[in-house]
This record gives sequence, C-alpha cells and structure tokens, in this order.
Amino acid sequence: GQNIDQPTEMTATEGAIVQINCTYQTSGFNGLFWYQQHAGEAPTFLSYNVLDGLEEKGRFSSFLSRSKGYSYLLLKELQMKDSASYLCAVRVFSGGYYKLIFGAGTRLAVHP
Amino acid sequence: DGGITQSPKYLFRKEGQNVTLSCEQNLNHDAMYWYRQDPGQGLRLIYYSQIVNDFQKGDIAEGYSVSREKKESFPLTVTSAQKNPTAFYLCASSSPQDNSYEQYFGPGTRLTVT
Repeated sequence: GQNIDQPTEMTATEGAIVQINCTYQTSGFNGLFWYQQHAGEAPTFLSYNVLDGLEEKGRFSSFLSRSKGYSYLLLKELQMKDSASYLCAVRVFSGGYYKLIFGAGTRLAVHP
Repeated sequence: DGGITQSPKYLFRKEGQNVTLSCEQNLNHDAMYWYRQDPGQGLRLIYYSQIVNDFQKGDIAEGYSVSREKKESFPLTVTSAQKNPTAFYLCASSSPQDNSYEQYFGPGTRLTVT
C-alpha cells in the first residue's frame, strides 16, 4: 500500500524556525514534493527532492533520506503569511504512469 | 500569463444532477489531473491524462467521468452515482519536459450538493 504520514497541526512563533516531518511507505519512489496551501486556495510548489540531502531555497529547506523513508521541510524566520497547510507528496510509478501520492497535510499556525 | 483556470469557484447542485467542472490550461502541458480534497485529508487522484484522447482512472474514479479532446482542456463530470460529491476539486497539469515533473494547480472549484 501507499502511506504518507505528517503531523496534523503545528504552531510556531513569528521569527522562529519550524520543522515539518514527513514519513512515507510507498511502492516505488521517484521524488518527493512539498507544497504550500492557504485555506481555500490551490497548492503552490515549494520544493522537490529526488536524491538524499538538503535542498535550500531562501527561507525554505527540504531534506530527504530515501533509506529511512523520511523528509522534512524547514521554515526559517517565520512570518505570519506562512500560516498555511504544508503537503508532502511522493511521486510513484504506477500502471505505466507517474502519479503523486499526497499526505493529509500539516496545518501550521504562526503566532505573533 | 500562463496558468490553469477552473470555473466556477463555487458550484451548487441538487442531489441526482450531473455537473461538469471545467479545467483549462495554456501552459502547453501534456499531462493533466483531477484531485478531490476533503477536510483533514490529502488530495486524492480521481483521473489523469498523459496525452490527448487518453485518460486513466485514479484512486477514486467511481462516480466520475472525464474527456480529453483537446490538449488545453480536461473537464470532469460528477455524476449522480458519486455518493459524496461535496468537496473541493483541484485540477493540475505537468510537463515531462520539466525535470521535476512539478504539478501546477488551478484555483479549485468548491462543489456543494444538497
């Protein structure tokens, strides 16, 4: 089966650092994505990891360990606008096509 | 400006009626997808299409139908056979030329069936 786990909710303080974890058990692995989704809006792409290690992009970094089936998204210098849901998704090859399997998302609340 | 459009943003229907949600993209992407999102759950794949005139069932295709007659368009019909149609529906597209195969999402349609 396909399973992706993330914490349901997290809270953090403006200016702080927060780490959102994602563990996965999927049949096959062809990359891991992180998306940000504000309430009622479309998900927007944050990062993509296909090899082990850290990918840094401004205030956001994403880490992947394929052997452990584990990834995290690190958000630095938190701002109020970072309050959103963060979706972890794994790309798998199934039925002759690539597709994304999404976790349920982590709702992050940033407080002043 | 390239992007994906979905209309309408909010849609209300009576139980027993079929309804079609539109999705148009001008990104020249070959692949298009339909997802359903329910509160507290991740996005679940309904249907996807890799090329024109071809589409595949996703994980929760029952009660839905699609067509892909043009590269730019991938409409989704929610039929009366779908037992719980009220949800937020998201359309996405991607290109195999993009090394990350990133999926770009439309703004979504919130469907309410009463």
